[in-house]
Amino acid sequence: EAGVVQSPRYKIIEKKQPVAFWCNPISGHNTLYWYLQNLGQGPELLIRYENEEAVDDSQLPKDRFSAERLKGVDSTLKIQPAELGDSAVYLCASSPGGTNTGELFFGEGSRLTVL
Amino acid sequence: KQEVTQIPAALSVPEGENLVLNCSFTDSAIYNLQWFRQDPGKGLTSLLLIQSSQREQTSGRLNASLDKSSGRSTLYIAASQPGDSATYLCAVRRWQGAQKLVFGQGTRLTINP
Repeated sequence: EAGVVQSPRYKIIEKKQPVAFWCNPISGHNTLYWYLQNLGQGPELLIRYENEEAVDDSQLPKDRFSAERLKGVDSTLKIQPAELGDSAVYLCASSPGGTNTGELFFGEGSRLTVL
Repeated sequence: KQEVTQIPAALSVPEGENLVLNCSFTDSAIYNLQWFRQDPGKGLTSLLLIQSSQREQTSGRLNASLDKSSGRSTLYIAASQPGDSATYLCAVRRWQGAQKLVFGQGTRLTINP
């Protein structure tokens, strides 16, 4: 069974440029998360989807960040314009949702460097 | 607000030793706790998940315990190997419906041959 797939793995851009990250969750997983991980820190939640609905986006900087999950499967996280402080790893995770144990499965992450 | 702390931030031990990694959380009203492993430049791999009603979970050489009342969890690694070198993170879920994990900063473990 395929795991959570993210692309690109690495992205280097100049500040003020836009960037987008893509995530394909495990098949059948209704809940999808985007996490931000700074160097030496634990991941922090940006947004959580239940199917196609964003149910927790309180930590998403909405002035420059946006996300979508069309049809409740794949998701895209966009930053426009990127700032130096956005350099980090963006992790996507999924879980079956509902009344299950809530175990999360993570992708390999997308490492962003803003110059 | 739930806060999760992992001490120490880094740990280096000789191969073959048994070791314990610590995780503490401020709010004992959790639904479950999950331990992850993260290799450099990689995503997180789930190791063990302990429900709030459980005291411990075991997988191979790993054993995780949970003491909800004191806000603590430990990850015990037996007979450590160089391949165990990685960063270990713990995360707690506040309640079933929330589906939100709060992570600690991680412990970077190095096993020396």
